[in-house]
Parts: sequence; C-alpha cells; structure tokens
Amino acid sequence: DADVTQTPRNRITKTGKRIMLECSQTKGHDRMYWYRQDPGLGLRLIYYSFDVKDINKGEISDGYSVSRQAQAKFSLSLESAIPNQTALYFCATSDSGTPQETQYFGPGTRLLVL
Amino acid sequence: AQSVSQHNHHVILSEAASLELGCNYSYGGTVNLFWYVQYPGQHLQLLLKYFSGDPLVKGIKGFEAEFIKSKFSFNLRKPSVQWSDTAEYFCALNTGGFKTIFGAGTRLFVKA
Repeated sequence: DADVTQTPRNRITKTGKRIMLECSQTKGHDRMYWYRQDPGLGLRLIYYSFDVKDINKGEISDGYSVSRQAQAKFSLSLESAIPNQTALYFCATSDSGTPQETQYFGPGTRLLVL
Repeated sequence: AQSVSQHNHHVILSEAASLELGCNYSYGGTVNLFWYVQYPGQHLQLLLKYFSGDPLVKGIKGFEAEFIKSKFSFNLRKPSVQWSDTAEYFCALNTGGFKTIFGAGTRLFVKA
C-alpha cells in the first residue's frame, strides 16, 4: 500500500540514451519533487511542481526534464544520459505548502549510466 | 547561502550505546528543521521536526532532537540504540521557501 511509487527501481543504460523515470502517488498531494542522491552530497533538488500547470527548476536541473501528466504522476527524463547522472533518484510529495511540511518519499530508482 | 552540515558521515555503535548525531545549519532567520531516516531498503521517512515552541522535539522510536539557536544546531539523540536503528539519517532545513535543503547524511551502523 505504498503511497509514492517509482518505476523502474533499478536501471542500467548507456551513454546517450534517453530514459524516463516515473513517479506516482496516491496521497492526493499537489506538490511533487525529484531529487538525486549522491554519496556524501545528500539529496539535491532537480525539479519540483506545485500543481499540474506549475513546474520549476531546482538546483541541478541541467540535463533533465520533467512532465506532470496528472496530479498523481510526475516523470523525470534524461534526454541523453551521461555517466555522471549515475545516482539514486527519489520522488517526493507534500501537501501543505508551508515551510513545516513533511515530504513523503518514494523508494528510489537506482540508475547506472555506462 | 543556506546550508546544512552533518559532521559524521559514518558512525558505528554497539547496542545500548547512546547516540548523538550532529547537524549544523547556516541561516540567520526563522528555521524549520527536520530529521529524516532511511532504513535499509526502505523509503526516507520523517523522524521528527521542529518549527516553533519547545526546542526539544521528540520523534518516533525514542529519538529526540534539540534546537539550539545560538549554536545553529539541531542534533539528534537517542539514549540507547538498537540494532534496528541501523540506517542513514538526514538533517534538513526549510527557511520558508519552496525548497528543503538536505545534509549529506550520516550512516549509522549498530552492532548487535
């Protein structure tokens, strides 16, 4: 009964390939986020969306694009994957829009770019 | 610029030992502070958070954290750790904008 799901969970791809990571949520939240996690660097924000019509770049958006297909779905694309995009990618949601908001995370997608 | 520092990247403890994980932030205004935990193979989940009131915040599973404004710190504590506390712990900061800033994380390993 996971509230935030991500597919695939693991992916190996080659340099130059296009890849899409998908995120779905059943929490009914408007806000969705994509992060990447690298060892020693914590989580860094790639893109975020406050609703279906509102998408914003985070701190490391270069090389990535996103699509908010519906309130429940937020996809992350790597148009032409490169090895330094090898990382663990997390999708997250939140509802309140306040600074005290709790974020709810998916299980992560482990991506390896060869 | 706002930032979050977690001093220890790896901590190894024996069961029943006391735990304190350090977290310092840089920001001069009002802060909202969080500790998230990621158990092996599981999602990140909220452990506890502070946004106002009592600076000593209690969370799930016996964890607590103390906000010390003068030290820009929000250290996580637990009096007696268990093997099941083995996880990665992230301190995070929100200063009122859209973005939550995460620290680099601390990997805790508890020896049975």
